[in-house]
Amino acid sequence: DTAVSQTPKYLVTQMGNDKSIKCEQNLGHDTMYWYKQDSKKFLKIMFSYNNKELIINETVPNRFSPKSPDKAHLNLHINSLELGDSAVYFCASSQMRGTGQLFFGSGTQLSVL
Amino acid sequence: KNEVEQSPQNLTAQEGEFITINCSYSVGISALHWLQQHPGGGIVSLFMLSSGKKKHGRLIATINIQEKHSSLHITASHPRDSAVYICAVGDMDSNYQLIWGAGTKLIIKP
Repeated sequence: DTAVSQTPKYLVTQMGNDKSIKCEQNLGHDTMYWYKQDSKKFLKIMFSYNNKELIINETVPNRFSPKSPDKAHLNLHINSLELGDSAVYFCASSQMRGTGQLFFGSGTQLSVL
Repeated sequence: KNEVEQSPQNLTAQEGEFITINCSYSVGISALHWLQQHPGGGIVSLFMLSSGKKKHGRLIATINIQEKHSSLHITASHPRDSAVYICAVGDMDSNYQLIWGAGTKLIIKP
């Protein structure tokens, strides 16, 4: 069983559309994250979330919103997609924020045309 | 200046060589992570450490808290070690948000 699974692996869409990327972890972790990896390969935190607190990177546009139906899921919703949103998005989880070992999903390559 | 600096940015070596990748940071940390990203894109956590040294197979990670410095060593390197190695630190002053280095691209030639 994959520890952190995210779908889809590839997402190609038009500018202006709304899309979602799903993430699920079966590790029983308390904290989940969304990262964006840009063309320079930097990993930038977008959100970290546990069952108590959502921490948002202030540079993330409000077109991006995380939705967590339960502790094992943290989905990423993106409204009004823009060309600059094209990137690889990684979901991850850890038992504790900042100190727990990180487990990553396989990434979703988003291409906005 | 980035809060997490890795060196070198790129490293090419011959199979069998001893490899060292360095990470320096300027913030107070809760833990330091070393991760590996393969050409296929997947990211794997290698080590998480807050003091001393850890070893897993041919990989060794060390950290010096006083000097705010960590090293990742690979012994008897192999072409399958070719990947990007990323250092990240949990920032105690920013609610333990992870601050990421830019990565070191390692190529091991047969």
